[in-house]
Amino acid sequence: GDSVTQMEGPVTLSEEAFLTINCTYTATGYPSLFWYVQYPGEGLQLLLKATKADDKGSNKGFEATYRKETTSFHLEKGSVQVSDSAVYFCARPSGNTPLVFGKGTRLSVIA
Amino acid sequence: DTAVSQTPKYLVTQMGNDKSIKCEQNLGHDTMYWYKQDSKKFLKIMFSYNNKELIINETVPNRFSPKSPDKAHLNLHINSLELGDSAVYFCASSQRGTTGELFFGEGSRLTVL
Repeated sequence: GDSVTQMEGPVTLSEEAFLTINCTYTATGYPSLFWYVQYPGEGLQLLLKATKADDKGSNKGFEATYRKETTSFHLEKGSVQVSDSAVYFCARPSGNTPLVFGKGTRLSVIA
Repeated sequence: DTAVSQTPKYLVTQMGNDKSIKCEQNLGHDTMYWYKQDSKKFLKIMFSYNNKELIINETVPNRFSPKSPDKAHLNLHINSLELGDSAVYFCASSQRGTTGELFFGEGSRLTVL
């Protein structure tokens, strides 16, 4: 079925480092793509989305570009902060299911 | 004001017991969901209700029974709890026409001993 695959974690970075978390999707149609974030002890929150090829979603300094050629939607941030420590999930709709999620990537940012 | 609220937040119980988790949303959304997150953080949809009608029922044991008394509430009842039911259960809601934009509760951590 339709799915997304994201890089395994955990990822540990120093404050102000550059972040990339890779995500690729199965190429059936042109689904909307999403990044969700789960802070410790909380539910998931929508971080950003893109609805068509070449769209760039952005929020809180994070960006992701919908690339049809490489079926990818990688998450990037130029300078991470300790408060960005969380688990990040790539996701897409699939049939009747509103969202199927990747396995999540845990990010730890150290001061 | 909490948009999607679940109770209880933590639940510890013995194998074989029956338990319920309640969920309420005050966003006026039409659709509500239950997702299960296992110990490795993997999330999988269990059920979806649209305006009190069941529209998604994944391959979940029939010990799990969702109930939606109205479109603002979706409760999850679990019979004969097993060790493998230990997980975090998330309730979520969305508005029709907003593909993929779900609002999640804070989760209910169930531990079966």
